[in-house]
Amino acid sequence: AQTVTQSQPEMSVQEAETVTLSCTYDTSESDYYLFWYKQPPSRQMILVIRQEAYKQQNATENRFSVNFQKAAKSFSLKISDSQLGDAAMYFCAYCLDSGYALNFGKGTSLLVTP
Amino acid sequence: GAVVSQHPSRVICKSGTSVKIECRSLDFQATTMFWYRQFPKQSLMLMATSNEGSKATYEQGVEKDKFLINHASLTLSTLTVTSAHPEDSSFYICSARDVSRANTEAFFGQGTRLTVV
Repeated sequence: AQTVTQSQPEMSVQEAETVTLSCTYDTSESDYYLFWYKQPPSRQMILVIRQEAYKQQNATENRFSVNFQKAAKSFSLKISDSQLGDAAMYFCAYCLDSGYALNFGKGTSLLVTP
Repeated sequence: GAVVSQHPSRVICKSGTSVKIECRSLDFQATTMFWYRQFPKQSLMLMATSNEGSKATYEQGVEKDKFLINHASLTLSTLTVTSAHPEDSSFYICSARDVSRANTEAFFGQGTRLTVV
């Protein structure tokens, strides 16, 4: 079974600064997909960024970027120029393909201070 | 983007009664939908995979007779919590994927907060 580990239960960052959230996973597959989801207090799950394992290039979405290290099975999320609205729970997730459910890590609570 | 609508967003029911939660894909077809449960300050745990026109696949430890799933069309899956008890109080979230799209992004409903009193 695939497992996703987020070792940081809580992180704090000052507004405008950069923060990196860690995620590691365990799988024997070579093709898979990795995601970071944001869950604000409303509890609506919002996709932040997606990475296909077959792509060597790290995904980026505006202020959000990932450091995907396939051999190390590591998938960290970097948030640049942090904003107050970035405060939320962040979940790292793994799945094989569209027919499979997402397997989530335990989450990291991000606090953004003024 | 694709939208998944989940209803109701919040429900309070008496112990012993049943509650139905609906999950609809509004602008795409979803042969597969997923139901998750989330306890406070915890992660999303997969309960079952709902397949259109066939029986749902339940995760280990999830009682299929208690959590009834019906996926009668390509746009609707329902989760019925039968004979609810206080320990069933939780946040339930559904997700679905657009079968016509190659990417594997999952779209989530808004979630349902169930409180059993």
